[in-house]
Amino acid sequence: KAGVTQTPRYLIKTRGQQVTLSCSPISGHRSVSWYQQTPGQGLQFLFEYFSETQRNKGNFPGRFSGRQFSNSRSEMNVSTLELGDSALYLCASSRDVAGANVLTFGAGSRLTVL
Amino acid sequence: QKEVEQNSGPLSVPEGAIASLNCTYSDRGSQSFFWYRQYSGKSPELIMFIYSNGDKEDGRFTAQLNKASQYVSLLIRDSQPSDSATYLCAVSGGGADGLTFGKGTHLIIQP
Repeated sequence: KAGVTQTPRYLIKTRGQQVTLSCSPISGHRSVSWYQQTPGQGLQFLFEYFSETQRNKGNFPGRFSGRQFSNSRSEMNVSTLELGDSALYLCASSRDVAGANVLTFGAGSRLTVL
Repeated sequence: QKEVEQNSGPLSVPEGAIASLNCTYSDRGSQSFFWYRQYSGKSPELIMFIYSNGDKEDGRFTAQLNKASQYVSLLIRDSQPSDSATYLCAVSGGGADGLTFGKGTHLIIQP
């Protein structure tokens, strides 16, 4: 059974550019969440999608956005990149069974902003 | 703002001993509690989760939850060098609520 697949694994951008990250969830998982991990702040919740709808959003500026497609694949976009956006971006999927929120993480996309 | 606190460590434990990892959380409405393990350069992987007060055992791992004290712990029995990693405590209000993670405890098992 394939796990959560994230692409690209590594990327380097410059300030002011934008970036799009992709996530394919585990087959049968309909919920996709995105997290940012930095050494200083740890893992922080960005947003969660289910059935193409954003159900919850963390405390990040509007430059961070996402979407989910009908096949449950998800993308997140960061516009007008800042140096502080350098981080590991993790996607996680879950079956979204009522009362549970068990996440399986992908390997992550490591973004470096120069 | 929901907060999850963990001692960053490093916590050094001799091989074969019991490693005890602790976590406190601020939101009394939290319903679900998770322990993830993260090896250096890898993504977090779920060890176990707990919803109810008391203990939950899975192999060498035991999660303990005390909602009145807003305290979660993870015990690792018969610690092995392969248990050396960062352990992340995470808390959720349930449903679509995102997980709030602690910054993790770095555990070192000394052979």
